Amino acid sequence: DTEVTQTPKHLVMGMTNKKSLKCEQHMGHRAMYWYKQKAKKPPELMFVYSYEKLSINESVPSRFSPECPNSSLLNLHLHALQPEDSALYLCASSPYRGQNTEAFFGQGTRLTVV
Amino acid sequence: AQKVTQAQTEISVVEKEDVTLDCVYETRDTTYYLFWYKQPPSGELVFLIRRNSFDEQNEISGRYSWNFQKSTSSFNFTITASQVVDSAVYFCALDHAGNTGKLIFGQGTTLQVKP
Repeated sequence: DTEVTQTPKHLVMGMTNKKSLKCEQHMGHRAMYWYKQKAKKPPELMFVYSYEKLSINESVPSRFSPECPNSSLLNLHLHALQPEDSALYLCASSPYRGQNTEAFFGQGTRLTVV
Repeated sequence: AQKVTQAQTEISVVEKEDVTLDCVYETRDTTYYLFWYKQPPSGELVFLIRRNSFDEQNEISGRYSWNFQKSTSSFNFTITASQVVDSAVYFCALDHAGNTGKLIFGQGTTLQVKP
């Protein structure tokens, strides 16, 4: 099983809503990532978890709150988002955090903030 | 500073043509890794290849081949006999210094293969 599963695939939320994005992998990977991708742009790293601990936060606004409940799950909690936060949110995992490893990506959640 | 440049924004070819996607990178590291990912319309990034800085051998995988040249800091990707299913956005990426797992992506090249 080489899949990273993200739910939901599409999400429309208002600026006052609270929602969560979920990501799951069963490859035994110990590093998990959240990326944000705007249309016609490359992915931009948001967070990195290594062994369930947050190791990188790329100065992401606090309205995005990551959580790694266990080694297979990664959540991204959303609160009070802005329309400019509309994007494709990609989750990825890799065997470990480091150079000599490739990341496996999910299909993403297309988020629209209205 | 680390940077990846994919100068070709969009490429359009007719099926069965060969096509090369260019990637030029900048890094001060002596040890680094380069990647190519494919992003079809469905959204996920599909890993294609990882190459470390000490291995300059060209690689071939089916219709795909990669040419890594440290002298010109380039890691180009060629698709031979392109097919409609190759239509996607292709990203070249460089791992961030410090073994963080962070990828520095190029801007991507949109490849359209017409029947």
